Order: sequence, then structure tokens, then C-alpha cells
Amino acid sequence: DGGITQSPKYLFRKEGQNVTLSCEQNLNHDAMYWYRQDPGQGLRLIYYSQIVNDFQKGDIAEGYSVSREKKESFPLTVTSAQKNPTAFYLCASSTSVDSSYNEQFFGPGTRLTVL
Amino acid sequence: SQQGEEDPQALSIQEGENATMNCSYKTSINNLQWYRQNSGRGLVHLILIRSNEREKHSGRLRVTLDTSKKSSSLLITASRAADTASYFCATTLRTSYGKLTFGQGTILTVHP
Repeated sequence: DGGITQSPKYLFRKEGQNVTLSCEQNLNHDAMYWYRQDPGQGLRLIYYSQIVNDFQKGDIAEGYSVSREKKESFPLTVTSAQKNPTAFYLCASSTSVDSSYNEQFFGPGTRLTVL
Repeated sequence: SQQGEEDPQALSIQEGENATMNCSYKTSINNLQWYRQNSGRGLVHLILIRSNEREKHSGRLRVTLDTSKKSSSLLITASRAADTASYFCATTLRTSYGKLTFGQGTILTVHP
């Protein structure tokens, strides 16, 4: 999985709780991304970060928050405002967002289930 | 709808046969990439083709890009049971730098 770790692998949450998903990379990549994948679907972009202390909303940012205090880490918080959070969450990184060669490296994913 | 749409949604073949998956997109792209996802795992990058390229090869993989038709195809030759996975195309738009937009994927099953 290319030097990106995600934890935990499985996460269960009660309705109304916030949960934080961890993503760490040791590839020295500037850009990091969070995606959501629903069954039988492609990936949808939640947030991305081009550099430390900067991040941008993706296509489905509502109900999620992120931080980028360190280059290696890009945690995602799923808040109680996210109405349908049960999904598979994937973190990725690339050398840069602003590139013609933006191959992304993915972590193994976290499967979040709301009980 | 999503930028990339794969066809077929599912493909079932025998080991040794070739597998062809297609991807169509709507707007001008900077590059197009193909990824593989084994069940319940993260995605693995397979190949990237730039908008000014027409064909690329990597081992048993062959990717073509036709910008006039806004389409790409991924050919896996001499398939193996280990090729069983979902395959996604993803595009980088000229207007959105490095952000990837994924299609819904093709589920490939290779029977031994």
C-alpha cells in the first residue's frame, strides 16, 4: 500500500458521535487526499491538502473536517453532521496536486460503520 | 454524473483470455489514469497516459486514449486469476490541476 498507513481498519460509531480516522505517509509527498467509497461506486473526493496548514474542500466535504499540521499526517474527522457516514474511507498522497504526473498512492482504507 | 464512466460494469472471462475495459469522459483532460482495487483494499496505480499520448504499455497492460472521442481503453492480455479486481479510470481535468475524478469501475472476474 505504498507507504501510507490508515487506522483503524474497522471503526464502529454510534449516531451522534464524532470519530477521527488516521492517515500517515512516509513518502515525503506534499499532497494528501481523503476519498469516500460507497458499495459498487467509485471514489468521491472529500478534502485535499497541497501543503502543510492548507486544505481545500472536495466534492462532498459537508459533515467532515480535516487538519494538516504535519506533512506526514492528514486526519479526517467524521462529525455528527454527516448524515450517512457508513462507507469505506481511503486516504491517498501524491508528490503534488499541481502536476501532470499526479499518480496517487493509496492507503488500505478504513471501513466505518454507524450503529 | 461522474466525469469518467466505465464500460462494462462487470466482465467475466476465463484465464488466458484478454480483458478490455472502456472509459468515457466529458471534458478536456490533462491526463487519465487506471487503478486496480482488490476487494476491501486500497487502490493501486496501474498506468498514466497524458492527453498528448495515444497508447502506453506496461507489462500485460495496454492503454489507449482517443481525445477526439473522449475515451480510453485498458486491455489486459493473457489474464490470470490474480487479475480479478475492480478497475477504475480517473481523470485529471485541465481546470483542476491534480485532482482526480473517478469513474464507477469495472468488476473483472477471471476464472481459473
